[in-house]
Amino acid sequence: AQKVTQAQTEISVVEKEDVTLDCVYETRDTTYYLFWYKQPPSGELVFLIRRNSFDEQNEISGRYSWNFQKSTSSFNFTITASQVVDSAVYFCALTANFGNEKLTFGTGTRLTIIP
Amino acid sequence: DAGVIQSPRHEVTEMGQEVTLRCKPISGHDYLFWYRQTMMRGLELLIYFNNNVPIDDSGMPEDRFSAKMPNASFSTLKIQPSEPRDSAVYFCASSWRGETQYFGPGTRLLVL
Repeated sequence: AQKVTQAQTEISVVEKEDVTLDCVYETRDTTYYLFWYKQPPSGELVFLIRRNSFDEQNEISGRYSWNFQKSTSSFNFTITASQVVDSAVYFCALTANFGNEKLTFGTGTRLTIIP
Repeated sequence: DAGVIQSPRHEVTEMGQEVTLRCKPISGHDYLFWYRQTMMRGLELLIYFNNNVPIDDSGMPEDRFSAKMPNASFSTLKIQPSEPRDSAVYFCASSWRGETQYFGPGTRLLVL
């Protein structure tokens, strides 16, 4: 069985602060894929990133960065110099190797950036 | 390129009425997924299709729910009869070869 845990239900930070969203996963599969999605107040689900279990390199995209550590089964997401537009619910998700297409979602972290 | 398109964006109906939600996946994608999102249960996968064929409908809550995919560019999710507990946001998503799923904007359903 697969499981994704986002222990932080809600986080509030002041604009321009850095913030890290935690994601811990469980899977018996040796090949798997991890995702982050953003759900802004408008409600749509926006794909942010996909990582496969073979690649533990951290990734940076502008103010966003992701830290994947197999040793701790974690895939954490950091926003640097947060902005009000970053306010959203962020979901971490997991699927086994493609061919098992079901995505297992975490319960989400609601991030509020205070101006 | 157009993303996943869903209609209607909002639906308000009365208990007992039939509701039909529609989805147009991204062109070229061969997988289509229907999800439901509620505060209590989060995001739930209802059913998914591969090449228009239903693969797993174990998430469909009960016989009142049905989904079809008559061709590669169109799918429907039908609830008949609707009940207040069906009120939720329903998302459609599509992917190519089962890889990254791209979601539509969702249909917000309210059953009175």
